[in-house]
Amino acid sequence: GENVEQHPSTLSVQEGDSAVIKCTYSDSASNYFPWYKQELGKRPQLIIDIRSNVGEKKDQRIAVTLNKTAKHFSLHITETQPEDSAVYFCAASTGTASKLTFGTGTRLQVTL
Amino acid sequence: GAVVSQHPSWVICKSGTSVKIECRSLDFQATTMFWYRQFPKQSLMLMATSNEGSKATYEQGVEKDKFLINHASLTLSTLTVTSAHPEDSSFYICSASKVRGSTEAFFGQGTRLTVV
Repeated sequence: GENVEQHPSTLSVQEGDSAVIKCTYSDSASNYFPWYKQELGKRPQLIIDIRSNVGEKKDQRIAVTLNKTAKHFSLHITETQPEDSAVYFCAASTGTASKLTFGTGTRLQVTL
Repeated sequence: GAVVSQHPSWVICKSGTSVKIECRSLDFQATTMFWYRQFPKQSLMLMATSNEGSKATYEQGVEKDKFLINHASLTLSTLTVTSAHPEDSSFYICSASKVRGSTEAFFGQGTRLTVV
């Protein structure tokens, strides 16, 4: 089955700096890669996603890049703000009705 | 929109009892729903795929007799934790997609189960 690894497990940045979180996946059939933000005790919130026919996608301060050959994808958050502090999960799917394999999570702390 | 609602949001039960968690798609029909479990400070782990009108498909290591799944309608899937023990205490979350073959998942708000 699919295996998704995520690094780093914790990340502390100063407000205004950029944050980068990286994930690798094992199943070359995976073709959908969402990123979720989860606050304590809450449901995961989709913040951006990318499909395998695209190399990069951007939405305001958030961007995701995908390297299919290397089987890795990354989340980039620019101009970080304290409200960006949360746990972020990457995930991968082969497109089967949203069955997702999640990465291990990154706890992002944005300090003032 | 695409709203998935779980009930209850939290539940405390005694060891040995059973607990039922409901997952409803409020404004769309979902032929497939997924159940995940999340232990504190850990990731979401897929437990099972719930298929409307047929048996659920369980992931390796998940006991189907302990975690009973019923998906009797296109808008409702239930997860029953039978003979719960403290180690079953966790955050249980369901998800559904709007159309067959769709990849975007819509999550319920989760259910915090504490077994005492």
